Amino acid sequence: DGGITQSPKYLFRKEGQNVTLSCEQNLNHDAMYWYRQDPGQGLRLIYYSQIVNDFQKGDIAEGYSVSREKKESFPLTVTSAQKNPTAFYLCASSREGGRTGELFFGEGSRLTVL
Amino acid sequence: KNEVEQSPQNLTAQEGEFITINCSYSVGISALHWLQQHPGGGIVSLFMLSSGKKKHGRLIATINIQEKHSSLHITASHPRDSAVYICAVLNFNKFYFGSGTKLNVKP
Repeated sequence: DGGITQSPKYLFRKEGQNVTLSCEQNLNHDAMYWYRQDPGQGLRLIYYSQIVNDFQKGDIAEGYSVSREKKESFPLTVTSAQKNPTAFYLCASSREGGRTGELFFGEGSRLTVL
Repeated sequence: KNEVEQSPQNLTAQEGEFITINCSYSVGISALHWLQQHPGGGIVSLFMLSSGKKKHGRLIATINIQEKHSSLHITASHPRDSAVYICAVLNFNKFYFGSGTKLNVKP
C-alpha cells in the first residue's frame, strides 16, 4: 500500500544533541512538507520541497535543516540551535501541491528533550 | 490573527446527533482540505474541496467561496467519530491550518 512512513515514532534527546527524523513516501509525490504541532495550535510549516534537490524555509525553520536528495525521502534534522524542540512532528506529501488530490500525512514523530 | 479560524474548539455530542464544524479563512484559496486526527496523532484527509459540496458516507463538506467559509457535517454521529478535525486552506503552494476542533461523541 502507498503511504508515508515516519520514524522513529518516539524519540528522546538530551539538550545539545542533533536528531534526525525520517520521512519516506512511495506515492510518487513531488511535494513534501514538515510540520510541527504544539498543543492548542495549528500545524506550523518548518520546511517544504516541491522537487528533488530544492527546498524552502517555512514559517519556523530556525534550528531545523532538511535535505531532498531523492524524491521519496525528506529527512528533518532538529539541531541543538532549536530552543524548544519538544513537539509532535508531522511529514506530509501531496501531488501537484495539494490542488488536485489528497494531502497525505505520516503517523508523526514525538520528540521529547530531556 | 490566524488565517484560518475554526469553531467550535471543543464539541461534545451524544451518539446519533448531527454535528457541524465551521471553518472561516481570510486568504485566497486554491483548495480546502478537511483532515481528521486520531488520538495516536496520525492525520488522514477526508475531503478536498474547491467549490460546492462533497459527501462520503455520513460526512458532508461544503464550501462557499464568496463568504470564505466551509462546513463539515457529520450525520448520525458515532463514538468512533471522536477525533480532532482540522481545516486546511491551500493558498498557492502553502497550506494554512486551523487549530482544530476536538470532537467527543458519547455513547
